[in-house]
Amino acid sequence: DAGITQSPRYKITETGRQVTLMCHQTWSHSYMFWYRQDLGHGLRLIYYSAAADITDKGEVPDGYVVSRSKTENFPLTLESATRSQTSVYFCASSGPTDTYEQYFGPGTRLTVT
Amino acid sequence: GQSLEQPSEVTAVEGAIVQINCTYQTSGFYGLSWYQQHDGGAPTFLSYNALDGLEETGRFSSFLSRSDSYGYLLLQELQMKDSASYFCAVNGAGNKLTFGGGTRVLVKP
Repeated sequence: DAGITQSPRYKITETGRQVTLMCHQTWSHSYMFWYRQDLGHGLRLIYYSAAADITDKGEVPDGYVVSRSKTENFPLTLESATRSQTSVYFCASSGPTDTYEQYFGPGTRLTVT
Repeated sequence: GQSLEQPSEVTAVEGAIVQINCTYQTSGFYGLSWYQQHDGGAPTFLSYNALDGLEETGRFSSFLSRSDSYGYLLLQELQMKDSASYFCAVNGAGNKLTFGGGTRVLVKP
């Protein structure tokens, strides 16, 4: 599919388990981002990437790991899930021109029990 | 760091005009963006202001005053489909966005 996709769309996991959220974009955008959105709040940046093999921390990186071996993929891993990581996770990308505009994926609703 | 303030909720009737204010404190500022998010959906880009002044896109306009660290989003001719949350966001270095808490707009018939 064209655009930016996320999988899974819904995930329930237990405390302490490792879980990976996938993000894939077909535009060859340089920049990719991971945000979390807690109920009734704005989005907070977890990690971002300016290009393949270049990643950096955002506002709330603790407990998360990212990698970007290919331009189109930007997986987010929760190494040992905690209940406080229950949230909706959005992946976004922005391209080589008009980089101020970010395109968001549909989101992954993660519940940690 | 960055912090943004915007009202939590606004209610208006169809056809009305709504202004959502956003004030920010930032250590690095490239511009102010606005995003719309319907319940259960993903944020979608509405507008971006890098320079002072008004940007108009159809029924929506956005304004920025860098000297006042202030911007607003103006929604005109409100329609029911405009019921959503609206977020201001500061564009910083590395194309990063820092979002405000969002303003929930409820449009009544």
